[in-house]
Amino acid sequence: GENVEQHPSTLSVQEGDSAVIKCTYSDSASNYFPWYKQELGKRPQLIIDIRSNVGEKKDQRIAVTLNKTAKHFSLHITETQPEDSAVYFCAARRAWYNQFYFGTGTSLTVIP
Amino acid sequence: DVKVTQSSRYLVKRTGEKVFLECVQDMDHENMFWYRQDPGLGLRLIYFSYDVKMKEKGDIPEGYSVSREKKERFSLILESASTNQTSMYLCASSLRTSGVHNEQFFGPGTRLTVL
Repeated sequence: GENVEQHPSTLSVQEGDSAVIKCTYSDSASNYFPWYKQELGKRPQLIIDIRSNVGEKKDQRIAVTLNKTAKHFSLHITETQPEDSAVYFCAARRAWYNQFYFGTGTSLTVIP
Repeated sequence: DVKVTQSSRYLVKRTGEKVFLECVQDMDHENMFWYRQDPGLGLRLIYFSYDVKMKEKGDIPEGYSVSREKKERFSLILESASTNQTSMYLCASSLRTSGVHNEQFFGPGTRLTVL
């Protein structure tokens, strides 16, 4: 099966700085890579996703990049704000397969 | 707006008890999933179901079983709870898997403590 590794496990940044979280995957057939945000005590929610036919996707202050050759993808958050503090999970999935494979999560703290 | 609900937010059980965790979704989703979430281990899939009465094992099915008698409801069963099953349990649902990837919607979670 797929194996998704996520780094770092914890990340602290000053408000206004950028944050980058990186994930690698093992299955070259994976072609969908979502990112979920889980605030303290709340459920994970999708914040952005990318498909393997796209190299980069942006949505306001967040962006995701994908390098299919190297089998890694990254989440970039610019101009971080305290409300960005949360645990972020990356995931990978193959088309037509039901199962998502999640990374182990990154706890992001934005220091005001 | 998709709503996935779970029967309890917090649950305390004793070793050896049979435990039922219920999940209900109101968006007519075909797929439903049960995960457990532990610090440093992320989200690990226990079981999933792609249709009524259908189930497939995930990565950590040992000690668990599931039931899906109705499309909107997916139950996780711990036949004989053990202390190592103390965890946060998250249910999720999504539309049927296809060439177009469908978002998973999560429930609020059930924090289970087994004493």
